[in-house]
Amino acid sequence: DAGITQSPRHKVTETGTPVTLRCHQTENHRYMYWYRQDPGHGLRLIHYSYGVKDTDKGEVSDGYSVSRSKTEDFLLTLESATSSQTSVYFCAITKTGIHTDTQYFGPGTRLTVL
Amino acid sequence: AQSVSQHNHHVILSEAPSLELGCNYSYGGTVNLFWYVQYPGQHLQLLLKYFSGDPLVKGIKGFEAEFIKSKFSFNLRKPSVQWSDTAEYFCALVSGSARQLTFGSGTQLTVLP
Repeated sequence: DAGITQSPRHKVTETGTPVTLRCHQTENHRYMYWYRQDPGHGLRLIHYSYGVKDTDKGEVSDGYSVSRSKTEDFLLTLESATSSQTSVYFCAITKTGIHTDTQYFGPGTRLTVL
Repeated sequence: AQSVSQHNHHVILSEAPSLELGCNYSYGGTVNLFWYVQYPGQHLQLLLKYFSGDPLVKGIKGFEAEFIKSKFSFNLRKPSVQWSDTAEYFCALVSGSARQLTFGSGTQLTVLP
């Protein structure tokens, strides 16, 4: 849809280990986002980015950090993974236009923290 | 702060009946609303969106939604559902300078063949 890929697609890790998820886009969009999806909660915003090296916290940012050193890449890091961070993580971008700003989502990363 | 409510968490229907999924929002700014669908094991796909103008919005796969400002609602409708419409449906509201989305908790729709 919007040239978004996420890696890895699946990961199992142990409590206390660092984890980095990557989001890559090919269409040079300015805004990028990380959400987590959990049953009964819909999608909740973790962090977002206005552009290179310009990021901000979302609703559920505790335990997560992000970096955006290039327009096309937005990295989400769990410094020390916990079982409560077991979730499906989606990256998204906004295609901007007059009265048509619309978010498109990547395929997701399923993370399991044991 | 903005919020989105979807009160029907799980809807089970047989094929053919019409469908209406509720969405209510709370937001003090300009309202831009979306419905997304997530088929099993897949990512979110855009069904339709409302920005301004005609409050009745038509989307893909025969879905439509009506924005009723006085009721703070943006309900999703389809005249006749099929088994292939089995999915989770999310209503969302855009806000903020980075156009971030606030989602409802989702409605799981199961259509029995």
